Amino acid sequence: AAGVIQSPRHLIKEKRETATLKCYPIPRHDTVYWYQQGPGQDPQFLISFYEKMQSDKGSIPDRFSAQQFSDYHSELNMSSLELGDSALYFCASSAQTGGASYNEQFFGPGTRLTVL
Amino acid sequence: GQSLEQPSEVTAVEGAIVQINCTYQTSGFYGLSWYQQHDGGAPTFLSYNALDGLEETGRFSSFLSRSDSYGYLLLQELQMKDSASYFCAVRDRRMGRRALTFGSGTRLQVQP
Repeated sequence: AAGVIQSPRHLIKEKRETATLKCYPIPRHDTVYWYQQGPGQDPQFLISFYEKMQSDKGSIPDRFSAQQFSDYHSELNMSSLELGDSALYFCASSAQTGGASYNEQFFGPGTRLTVL
Repeated sequence: GQSLEQPSEVTAVEGAIVQINCTYQTSGFYGLSWYQQHDGGAPTFLSYNALDGLEETGRFSSFLSRSDSYGYLLLQELQMKDSASYFCAVRDRRMGRRALTFGSGTRLQVQP
């Protein structure tokens, strides 16, 4: 079965640089989420999109932005990178099907961002 | 506000049963989910409870008491591959209808 695809898997950037992370959700999933997970921490919700429109917003810094395109893939754009942005960034997708509904989110393998 | 509490670490031996508890405070409760995450891996959905009671899926079971704002994940016949972090999660109406808020995670170590 198709899974969530993320690219790149690893990314190394310098402070103050920019980064773009890409996510390709499971086909026919209507919602895409971005989470940030620091070392030893739980995933923190950043932002989500429902049918290509921004849906919910969490603890996303103003330096970050995201969008979902017509083909449903999503990109997380990060500018003025800081050392504290080093983390695993997960994209997840879900659909309104079955009893679990949006509680069952399918996570991609993540992008490990290292800011030096 | 939104908060979930779960133990930080649990250790058990192969073949044993372990229970991971989760208590939550939420501004809007739809249901309690459980996710498993191996080191360096992605969270993987295990179970979801919207109503009181026990849900069983193979070796894993999950329980919810809405009146007590409490749930637990029960892992039976533990195997070495069950060593991972386990997160309880709720949907947080404060952040919207679909976003998940995770607990801090319980690191389960299964010993031979």
